[in-house]
Amino acid sequence: NAGVTQTPKFRVLKTGQSMTLLCAQDMNHEYMYWYRQDPGMGLRLIHYSVGEGTTAKGEVPDGYNVSRLKKQNFLLGLESAAPSQTSVYFCASSYLGQGASQPQHFGDGTRLSIL
Amino acid sequence: AQSVSQHNHHVILSEAASLELGCNYSYGGTVNLFWYVQYPGQHLQLLLKYFSGDPLVKGIKGFEAEFIKSKFSFNLRKPSVQWSDTAEYFCAVNGDTGRRALTFGSGTRLQVQP
Repeated sequence: NAGVTQTPKFRVLKTGQSMTLLCAQDMNHEYMYWYRQDPGMGLRLIHYSVGEGTTAKGEVPDGYNVSRLKKQNFLLGLESAAPSQTSVYFCASSYLGQGASQPQHFGDGTRLSIL
Repeated sequence: AQSVSQHNHHVILSEAASLELGCNYSYGGTVNLFWYVQYPGQHLQLLLKYFSGDPLVKGIKGFEAEFIKSKFSFNLRKPSVQWSDTAEYFCAVNGDTGRRALTFGSGTRLQVQP
């Protein structure tokens, strides 16, 4: 009963390097999200997806790209990492259901440091 | 646009004290409201949610929250806190839009002293 799984859990990058964060969910959820969590700012939405093959921008999309090639996976890419992207990244998913009352299920997070 | 304000950034209580954490939101339409808890080093977990019906919502671990529409508030309460309640608490709102993404408050760090 894995739920939402994020890999890796920790990563240190140098400025300019690229990397991909992987999110996988086994609950057959339609919706998936990427958030970043910074001290004193709560969680902010980076990108989201309402279904396989679809993605859309959230509040803070600059410097990130995403892909949802399979329903269960949602990838977050940093093409050229910057120190401002040092953060904890959370993936979440939710069921389509009826209306917007469906809760989101979160992964354990990826702690990313950009030097 | 929707927004959430949590006015208490850091709360320190002794065990058995009562807790109330404030949450105010801004959104003109129908809202769904959530409280999430994040224990140290862990992911966010749902405490409770409100989407319709009885404005007093009961969640896990003895928490409850009251939706007051006229005040745009959704305050979290617990009559008697325990050391294990030490965590960060986030209020979140989801307006009835197609995006369904949550807008979070900045969080309240609760420290319960034994």
